[in-house]
Amino acid sequence: SQQGEEDPQALSIQEGENATMNCSYKTSINNLQWYRQNSGRGLVHLILIRSNEREKHSGRLRVTLDTSKKSSSLLITASRAADTASYFCATDASDSSYKLIFGSGTRLLVRP
Amino acid sequence: DAGVIQSPRHEVTEMGQEVTLRCKPISGHDYLFWYRQTMMRGLELLIYFNNNVPIDDSGMPEDRFSAKMPNASFSTLKIQPSEPRDSAVYFCASSRQGARSPLHFGNGTRLTVT
Repeated sequence: SQQGEEDPQALSIQEGENATMNCSYKTSINNLQWYRQNSGRGLVHLILIRSNEREKHSGRLRVTLDTSKKSSSLLITASRAADTASYFCATDASDSSYKLIFGSGTRLLVRP
Repeated sequence: DAGVIQSPRHEVTEMGQEVTLRCKPISGHDYLFWYRQTMMRGLELLIYFNNNVPIDDSGMPEDRFSAKMPNASFSTLKIQPSEPRDSAVYFCASSRQGARSPLHFGNGTRLTVT
């Protein structure tokens, strides 16, 4: 069963614009992670944010976490064509803090 | 660091045949995960190991699926007998502290069962 659900399912933007993806989850968590997947490849870890953190940055990536709303967002600023990929949020499972459950993902297309 | 290595990259087999997928995790990672990805069901966790011991196999779909980790540097996922609905991309991932740390994924094995 999926813990996180991303919104939107698909997003198409122009190069240079910002892209925002949202993730909602159902039960309390210890941390939330974001991953990117290029077509035909494995997932690549982007950012891990712990439940006691509200915001985290990594280069052009900004992740926020609102535990009261059980939601997170991933912002990619000044997008590039190379950012075209699927993005997934993942949380530890309600029955175990050691197993990671993924959402359904957002497909991002950045048009040059 | 060579990353997580999976083999084969592609596997095409006929229904009823046995399929074995292989994974070499990153050295020093105590957790190993097997996931399956399909368009319909997304990324599903099949099983995970801690220190070579299976901890949770509740995601394994049927008795046709089995996974082993004989040592810290090798794991297999076996399907016997295979069925067309098993067609998917199977990923192996490893991490230092389970879901409390980043997972490192292999490039997956694309399985097609005809």
